[in-house]
Amino acid sequence: AQKITQTQPGMFVQEKEAVTLDCTYDTSDQSYGLFWYKQPSSGEMIFLIYQGSYDEQNATEGRYSLNFQKARKSANLVISASQLGDSAMYFCAMREGFNNNDMRFGAGTRLTVKP
Amino acid sequence: DSGVTQTPKHLITATGQRVTLRCSPRSGDLSVYWYQQSLDQGLQFLIQYYNGEERAKGNILERFSAQQFPDLHSELNLSSLELGDSALYFCASSIRDRGPGNTIYFGEGSWLTVV
Repeated sequence: AQKITQTQPGMFVQEKEAVTLDCTYDTSDQSYGLFWYKQPSSGEMIFLIYQGSYDEQNATEGRYSLNFQKARKSANLVISASQLGDSAMYFCAMREGFNNNDMRFGAGTRLTVKP
Repeated sequence: DSGVTQTPKHLITATGQRVTLRCSPRSGDLSVYWYQQSLDQGLQFLIQYYNGEERAKGNILERFSAQQFPDLHSELNLSSLELGDSALYFCASSIRDRGPGNTIYFGEGSWLTVV
């Protein structure tokens, strides 16, 4: 079964506007971590932001914030004031529990920022 | 710059050949992961080592093998290469071997093209 679902294959946003990239997950563990990574066209995978399942506040890192809705099992990435350099693939990922070594990734969303 | 170093960045080789990809983790990280990213399969976890010991295995083919050395660098060996092995191979590292908050940091990847 798909653990991480990113339903938007592609998204467009106007420069300087905010955009939300969707991510839903499936787990029966109470302890888990949610991550977002950015992959520009050059190929490298860049860690953006982390949210723990027990964190009461939504994580923020600069222009990135994570809209964590535990009951809905969603962990959407919000990028504020989009820049042309934000054009990239964005991957949502999850680690489950304390005995699981694996990190599962979604299929990704390609974001294009328009000037 | 994540601090994870991968070499070579690009590699073109013929079917049936063998290649070795090399990875140096971030300073202080004991865990090394290998991932394969192809267009049709997405990001696939291959294998993880922690402080020299294999900790988890994912979708790694029998033709592929890896090891982590005492200085913590790791190598991924790909043999009897097929056209379908063409992909971007990532190395990643983390401080711990598991846990929900164990963030992994990726290198820039090694682009392998099999012709």
